[in-house]
Amino acid sequence: DQQVKQNSPSLSVQEGRISILNCDYTNSMFDYFLWYKKYPAEGPTFLISISSIKDKNEDGRFTVFLNKSAKHLSLHIVPSQPGDSAVYFCAASEGDQGAQKLVFGQGTRLTINP
Amino acid sequence: KAGVTQTPRYLIKTRGQQVTLSCSPISGHRSVSWYQQTPGQGLQFLFEYFSETQRNKGNFPGRFSGRQFSNSRSEMNVSTLELGDSALYLCASSLVLATYNEQFFGPGTRLTVL
Repeated sequence: DQQVKQNSPSLSVQEGRISILNCDYTNSMFDYFLWYKKYPAEGPTFLISISSIKDKNEDGRFTVFLNKSAKHLSLHIVPSQPGDSAVYFCAASEGDQGAQKLVFGQGTRLTINP
Repeated sequence: KAGVTQTPRYLIKTRGQQVTLSCSPISGHRSVSWYQQTPGQGLQFLFEYFSETQRNKGNFPGRFSGRQFSNSRSEMNVSTLELGDSALYLCASSLVLATYNEQFFGPGTRLTVL
């Protein structure tokens, strides 16, 4: 049973436009959500996170939106740059004791075209 | 500040053997988590260690074990290797001062079981 799902395996966006990556979850006990970016042969790199008490968090070009009623979160990248081409994972955790036990989605490969 | 380091980076073993992987967290980080990444299952949580104690555990068989030392360095061991254990094993460390802390990942150890 996959508790965190990224239904789009890949996404192609033109440089300068907005990239929107989506993630759905089924466990209503998740209270913290994170996005990671991964290049080949490297470990995932933390991008941005959001607590379930918020519905939006911004950090530079990256914004994460959380819709708890729909159990859906999205990552917006504006403007998209060639260096953003990577695999993006969303992850979730539950509670204080489980804060370090991340449940990951399958990832979305983002390609930024010049 | 040095990042998370993992050794070795690549490893080839045969079925039935056992293997030990090592992880050195970022200085000052007390929590170390281990993940397995495979093409079919994605990134899956193995276990987390905090102050030399296993605090969280994923759904993996008992052949997978770990430990953490007083300097926060961690090792994971897989005994009686199976072909399906071929994967990228990622270690992540976290500060754990507040409830929610992002995890910082190492580059991973690529294990191939023949």
